[in-house]
Amino acid sequence: AQKVTQAQTEISVVEKEDVTLDCVYETRDTTYYLFWYKQPPSGELVFLIRRNSFDEQNEISGRYSWNFQKSTSSFNFTITASQVVDSAVYFCALSSGTGNQFYFGTGTSLTVIP
Amino acid sequence: EAQVTQNPRYLITVTGKKLTVTCSQNMNHEYMSWYRQDPGLGLRQIYYSMNVEVTDKGDVPEGYKVSRKEKRNFPLILESPSPNQTSLYFCASSRQGATNEKLFFGSGTQLSVL
Repeated sequence: AQKVTQAQTEISVVEKEDVTLDCVYETRDTTYYLFWYKQPPSGELVFLIRRNSFDEQNEISGRYSWNFQKSTSSFNFTITASQVVDSAVYFCALSSGTGNQFYFGTGTSLTVIP
Repeated sequence: EAQVTQNPRYLITVTGKKLTVTCSQNMNHEYMSWYRQDPGLGLRQIYYSMNVEVTDKGDVPEGYKVSRKEKRNFPLILESPSPNQTSLYFCASSRQGATNEKLFFGSGTQLSVL
């Protein structure tokens, strides 16, 4: 069975603090893909990153970084020096390399307080 | 502009009155899918389509129908809506008929069934 768990329902941080959003996944597939999406208050869903199961390199994009660890089945997302514009709901998602479905976590609502 | 267009943006209806939410993409994508977003449950996949005339059930297909007669369109049909189908619905597409590609999402349809 495929499953994504985002245990943090809501997080509040003060602006300029670093924050890490946790994502734990379950799959029996050896080939799979992990994603992060952002849903700002306006409601649209914005793609942030895709990672395949064979690439465990961490990725950094500006203030955003992602840590993929197969040993712990985790794909965590860190925002450095958070800003008010980072306030949003963040979803982690999983898709199988052989299947045709996407599985989303329940989302983490991040509030950055000015 | 590359986009996924959903209509309507907001819809209020009554129990049992058939409705259709339209979804269209202009990117020549093969894969299209529908999701519903509910508080505390994240996004759950309703149906997906790998290509024209190829559709399959996601995790929560009960009470919904879809069709894929043309590559660009993937309407979601509620034959007899019920209050438990009150939700925020998203249509999405991706380039290839596989789930290793990122999803492009529509703006969402907020449905209320009274």
